[in-house]
Amino acid sequence: GEDVEQSLFLSVREGDSSVINCTYTDSSSTYLYWYKQEPGAGLQLLTYIFSNMDMKQDQRLTVLLNKKDKHLSLRIADTQTGDSAIYFCAVDSGGYNKLIFGAGTRLAVHP
Amino acid sequence: DAEITQSPRHKITETGRQVTLACHQTWNHNNMFWYRQDLGHGLRLIHYSYGVHDTNKGEVSDGYSVSRSNTEDLPLTLESAASSQTSVYFCASSETSGGDETQYFGPGTRLLVL
Repeated sequence: GEDVEQSLFLSVREGDSSVINCTYTDSSSTYLYWYKQEPGAGLQLLTYIFSNMDMKQDQRLTVLLNKKDKHLSLRIADTQTGDSAIYFCAVDSGGYNKLIFGAGTRLAVHP
Repeated sequence: DAEITQSPRHKITETGRQVTLACHQTWNHNNMFWYRQDLGHGLRLIHYSYGVHDTNKGEVSDGYSVSRSNTEDLPLTLESAASSQTSVYFCASSETSGGDETQYFGPGTRLLVL
């Protein structure tokens, strides 16, 4: 079945850029998502990219998609302490109205 | 504003008891989902529904059931709670639009089975 993998932990210094990576197996995925989960809260959508795009930028967030390698990344510029959270990569299941989630990457931002 | 709510937010129960977790959305979405979140496993899909009277099993459905009698609600029932079902449970909903499948999540229910 579909699999989505992420590294589990990333630590960065405040003000630096963070890059969170994700790989997936299903080439039929049309939409690919990044969600953010703050402590004690549900997941909130950060951004998504359509599969015919290579890049999407939204303020401090840049999403890069390499469809050939099935690799998705999220770059956060000028990372702040408020960006500390768990970030989930998710891909759609090719038309079945379901999302497949990675295990999440815990981002820790230190001064 | 449209929203998705879950109740209770925290629950402690004993093994063998039946427990029902509520999920209510005012987005008028057709699709609703239940996930559990455990350390190291991310989100795992328990059950989902594409509309009223429709229910489907996810990857970890054993010991859980759902029913969909209206658009707004998808309650999750643990038939006989087990300690392995201690987890954080999230409900989500999405539109059937033919476009993006963004799911909107509730705040979660933290369940402890003793």
